[in-house]
Amino acid sequence: AQTVTQSQPEMSVQEAETVTLSCTYDTSESDYYLFWYKQPPSRQMILVIRQEAYKQQNATENRFSVNFQKAAKSFSLKISDSQLGDAAMYFCAYRGRGATNKLIFGTGTLLAVQP
Amino acid sequence: DTGVSQDPRHKITKRGQNVTFRCDPISEHNRLYWYRQTLGQGPEFLTYFQNEAQLEKSRLLSDRFSAERPKGSFSTLEIQRTEQGDSAMYLCASSSHTGELFFGEGSRLTVL
Repeated sequence: AQTVTQSQPEMSVQEAETVTLSCTYDTSESDYYLFWYKQPPSRQMILVIRQEAYKQQNATENRFSVNFQKAAKSFSLKISDSQLGDAAMYFCAYRGRGATNKLIFGTGTLLAVQP
Repeated sequence: DTGVSQDPRHKITKRGQNVTFRCDPISEHNRLYWYRQTLGQGPEFLTYFQNEAQLEKSRLLSDRFSAERPKGSFSTLEIQRTEQGDSAMYLCASSSHTGELFFGEGSRLTVL
């Protein structure tokens, strides 16, 4: 079975600085998707960035980028120029190529942004 | 379309009572998912519908839990004879066949 591990329960970053959130996963599949979701307090989860395993190029969305290391099964999220609105719980998630598209989530990292 | 909506947002009930949650997905989405999220944990998959068919259920979904999606539109999740361990946030998500999941704000259940 696939698993997703986030080893940093909490992280803190100064406004305008850069922070990296870690994620590792375990799978025997060769083709899959990886995601980072953001869950602000009392708000719905929203997609931050996605990576397709067959693509070697790391995904980038504005201030958010990933470092995808397929052999190491590592998928970290880098947030540049951190803003107060980035404060939230961040979840790493895995999705295989099966029919359901269901996501398997890690336990999350709570990011605090200090002004 | 304002996204995935869930009702009620908060529910407090006594142990042994039945509760029902409703999810209205994004209208053009044929896939619907229920997840459960407890404090300090990531969401855990409960069940999946494609149109009106329930195609997958997690072993987490005990006999006290039942989900329906009549006519492939809204979905309901019912918990019978609630237990304190059922206290959690119940999240609904929907997607088209291409896959990105859109989540609702969740229904928080507290069982006293």
